[in-house]
Order: sequence, then structure tokens, then C-alpha cells
Amino acid sequence: NAGVTQTPKFRILKIGQSMTLQCAQDMNHNYMYWYRQDPGMGLKLIYYSVGAGITDKGEVPNGYNVSRSTTEDFPLRLELAAPSQTSVYFCASSPRWAANTEAFFGQGTRLTVV
Amino acid sequence: KNEVEQSPQNLTAQEGEFITINCSYSVGISALHWLQQHPGGGIVSLFMLSSGKKKHGRLIATINIQEKHSSLHITASHPRDSAVYICAVRGSGGGADGLTFGKGTHLIIQP
Repeated sequence: NAGVTQTPKFRILKIGQSMTLQCAQDMNHNYMYWYRQDPGMGLKLIYYSVGAGITDKGEVPNGYNVSRSTTEDFPLRLELAAPSQTSVYFCASSPRWAANTEAFFGQGTRLTVV
Repeated sequence: KNEVEQSPQNLTAQEGEFITINCSYSVGISALHWLQQHPGGGIVSLFMLSSGKKKHGRLIATINIQEKHSSLHITASHPRDSAVYICAVRGSGGGADGLTFGKGTHLIIQP
């Protein structure tokens, strides 16, 4: 059972380049999230989705885009990479919104923009 | 917006010591999560609780809803417990927008 799979694990981008961080889950979860983790800070929500075709902005969405064409996949797109986007990115999923719902996280993608 | 504070930020202890990590939050919640992150690794869920106490092996988590406070305890600590421990809360407002996270407690257990 793979759970939440993120690719790539590491990436170095040049300023202005674009890339897509991939996230896939095989648990048939409706809810999926993208977070970023900066040194000394708590994880911040970038975008989330409550089901295929539905996405919404989180706390720090600027510079990112998402899509959710299937239940399984939730890619995060960086169009014009900036040094401020250097961070560790985590994708997470949960089956539903409820008080007793566990969150499942991927292994993270460490992105450096130079 | 809920504010989640963890203490201490950093903790170094000797193998075998009893460890306590604290988490407080500012607004009522529906659930609190304790997560573990090993260096360079992913995030793993340890506990999810909305009241009382839970125990898994050497780990114990408690929550006091009235005081808006939770603690994570590690008994007979071991070097493999070295990791960042993160407290996260899910709001009670009904929104689907995920968890609010503390900054984490960096724990080092020395042999």
C-alpha cells in the first residue's frame, strides 16, 4: 500500500523556470492538501482540494497553481520560480473532513531555487 | 485563526529519560494531531485525539480541552526517538482547509 507518493524528492531550479510537483494517493481520499515547510516555521497551507474538479486557496497560494482532474492526483505547479519558493513541500490526504480523520503525508519534495 | 505554540523548541536528553513536549492552542478545536518527522524524512502521524489520553508503546498523548493544552510524553527515551515532533490542530468551524501547525520541537536523545 503506497499511501501518498510525491515526486521528485529533490530538485534545484533556476529563477524563472517552471516545474510541477507530483502527488498521488491510492487510498481513494477525497481531501488533498499541499503544504510548504520553511526552516523554523510551521507548515503552511498552499492549496487544497475536496474532490476531483474542486480546488481552493490556502494561506500562501501566490506563485502556485493546482489542478485535480482525478481523485488520485493533485499536482502543484510553479510557473516562475523565485528564491522565496525554496522550501520543503508536503502533500497530504484524508478521507473526509471530520474530527476523527487522520491525515496521511507524503515524503516531501525539497526544492531549491537559485 | 488558531495559534499553535509548542515548547520547548529544542530538547536534548540522555537515553532513558522521560520526555515531555507541550502544545497549546488559542481557539477551540475538533481534534489535535501529534506528528513525527525524522531528519530528511516524511511526516508520520503518531496520535489524533479530541479528549483524554492515548498510548502507543512508549508514547503517551494527553489533551485538556478546557485549558487548550496537550502534552506528548516519551517514556524510556531512545536515540531512535530523535526527530521533530509537530503538534497540529483541526478547527471546529467546519472548513475543509486542513490543519494548523506548530513550529515543531526538535528532540535529540543522546546514547
